[in-house]
Order: sequence, then C-alpha cells, then structure tokens
Amino acid sequence: DAKTTQPNSMESNEEEPVHLPCNHSTISGTDYIHWYRQLPSQGPEYVIHGLTSNVNNRMASLAIAEDRKSSTLILHRATLRDAAVYYCILRDVRTGNQFYFGTGTSLTVIP
Amino acid sequence: DAGVIQSPRHEVTEMGQEVTLRCKPISGHNSLFWYRQTMMRGLELLIYFNNNVPIDDSGMPEDRFSAKMPNASFSTLKIQPSEPRDSAVYFCASRLTGGNEQFFGPGTRLTVL
Repeated sequence: DAKTTQPNSMESNEEEPVHLPCNHSTISGTDYIHWYRQLPSQGPEYVIHGLTSNVNNRMASLAIAEDRKSSTLILHRATLRDAAVYYCILRDVRTGNQFYFGTGTSLTVIP
Repeated sequence: DAGVIQSPRHEVTEMGQEVTLRCKPISGHNSLFWYRQTMMRGLELLIYFNNNVPIDDSGMPEDRFSAKMPNASFSTLKIQPSEPRDSAVYFCASRLTGGNEQFFGPGTRLTVL
C-alpha cells in the first residue's frame, strides 16, 4: 500500500482558508486520493476524493499536483467545527477496498 | 437512515474474559470493515468483508481475534481471551460496492483491566 506523509499538526484562524498538504511520492496510476476527517470522539467521515483533476464539493476542495505526487485539501473558511484530524489516504482500485490510515494532521482552529 | 450502528458503545471487562462487539451496517451496503484505533498505532484495518465473505484478515492481530458476518445486516468481532493491550476504540464501517465513501459507526470503546 502506498504511503502518505502529512504534517502532524496545523493551526488556522477562524474564517480563514486552510491548506492541508499531503505528499504521496510513490503513488501509482490506479491510486485514488481520499481525504477523511475525524472529529473528537467520533468515527472518521468522508471529506473528498479525486484521481487526477481538482475536485470541489460542499465541504472542501482537493487540489492535485500535475505529477500526482502531492495534493492539498482546502477548507475555504475554517470554522471551530472543522477542528479535527485530517487523513490523506491512497486507495488502489486494483487491489481492493482497503484504506490504510496514516497519522493524519491535527487541525486546531483558533477563534 | 440510522447510519452504521455499533454496540455496545462502551465495554469494560477483565483480562481473560470474552468480548463481543457488534455492528449493523447501512442497509444495502455490501462491504464491511473493522478497524481498531489506539494512541500508539493510530487507526488500523483489522478485517473486511465483501458480500458477507471475509476478503482480507491480514490485520487481525492474533488468533484471539475472530470476526463473522452471518448475514448482510450483522457482523461481530470477538476477542477471546481479552488482554489489557486490546484496550482501544473499535470502529465498524460499511460501503456500497462501487462507491467511494466508507461510512463509520460511532465506535466501541473497550477497556480491558
């Protein structure tokens, strides 16, 4: 399973944009990039996913580098409810449905 | 939809006792996953089922752990005998085959004394 590297922690001021980076230099052509987040005392929840093109949904945007070796999750306006651990995960569609979670980035939002 | 349901939410037991954790996936989802989360090791995939059949159990730590899925709406994770190092939060998740999103339950916090 391909590995991802994320900063252990980040801080953001409330109502400002947040850019959460993820490096995945060994990504293969069949790896999808998924982002999940885990709020305190809850199970992880889906945020967004993509393959090659940038993606937007109601929660966030995903910017994928042209060589696909890195990606950035963008929260356009951080709120206190966005304080969570954010996981960047690669899923190889050839080998199955498994997700392998790394250590993630703990995001602190400062009021 | 009630989402993924796990029971119990909290379990405290003594070393050597049998522990059974339960999961009801979202109706219609045919992939089910069991995870364990600890501070030291983070979130680990233990086993996953597709159409009630175990596909990959390589994450199951040892023979003390077993998982079953007798039907599409129910799965169990059993630890026998339990040990203090099994203390963790256990999550169940389900997914529709072909879908991209795993839906996680609220977890079961297990404490083995």
